[in-house]
Amino acid sequence: DAKTTQPPSMDCAEGRAANLPCNHSTISGNEYVYWYRQIHSQGPQYIIHGLKNNETNEMASLIITEDRKSSTLILPHATLRDTAVYYCIVRVRNYGQNFVFGPGTRLSVLP
Amino acid sequence: EAGVTQSPTHLIKTRGQQATLRCSPISGHTSVYWYQQALGLGLQFLLWYDEGEERNRGNFPPRFSGRQFPNYSSELNVNALELEDSALYLCASSRQGTGNTIYFGEGSWLTVV
Repeated sequence: DAKTTQPPSMDCAEGRAANLPCNHSTISGNEYVYWYRQIHSQGPQYIIHGLKNNETNEMASLIITEDRKSSTLILPHATLRDTAVYYCIVRVRNYGQNFVFGPGTRLSVLP
Repeated sequence: EAGVTQSPTHLIKTRGQQATLRCSPISGHTSVYWYQQALGLGLQFLLWYDEGEERNRGNFPPRFSGRQFPNYSSELNVNALELEDSALYLCASSRQGTGNTIYFGEGSWLTVV
């Protein structure tokens, strides 16, 4: 699975959009980008995933660059409850492939 | 629909003892994954079970083992506990087939004293 690089920490003002970047310059054509988040000492929560098109759901939007070497997770109106560690993972959608979690980005939403 | 459930929430054991952690996957999910997260550290893949068989294993010693039951629930056993086994143990489940997003439970905290 391709390696990802994320900033260790970011701050965002409450009510503003939080834009979390992820670099995955060695991603291969059949690898998807997944995002999870982990609120302090809880189990990771699935957010969104995509291959090459931008994706949106009720939680967030995922913007993947045309060359697929980077992506951005957007939380449109961050709240204090969005404070968490956000993990960007790239993996092949093969059956049973385990998810490899890096250190992620610690997002602090400030009042 | 119920999510992944894990028990116990907290467990305290003495060094050298055995610990057993349990996981019930989401209904319809046949795969169960176990991860270890030591305090302040990242998630480390432990084991993957599917259809009752161990399919993949992370870089952990053999004293970490488990099994999956016919109802797809799973058990993680840690023998000869060491202090550094103190961690949050997370279980995740997924459907069989491609494109299988995994969904996590809230975890079991194991403290070894």
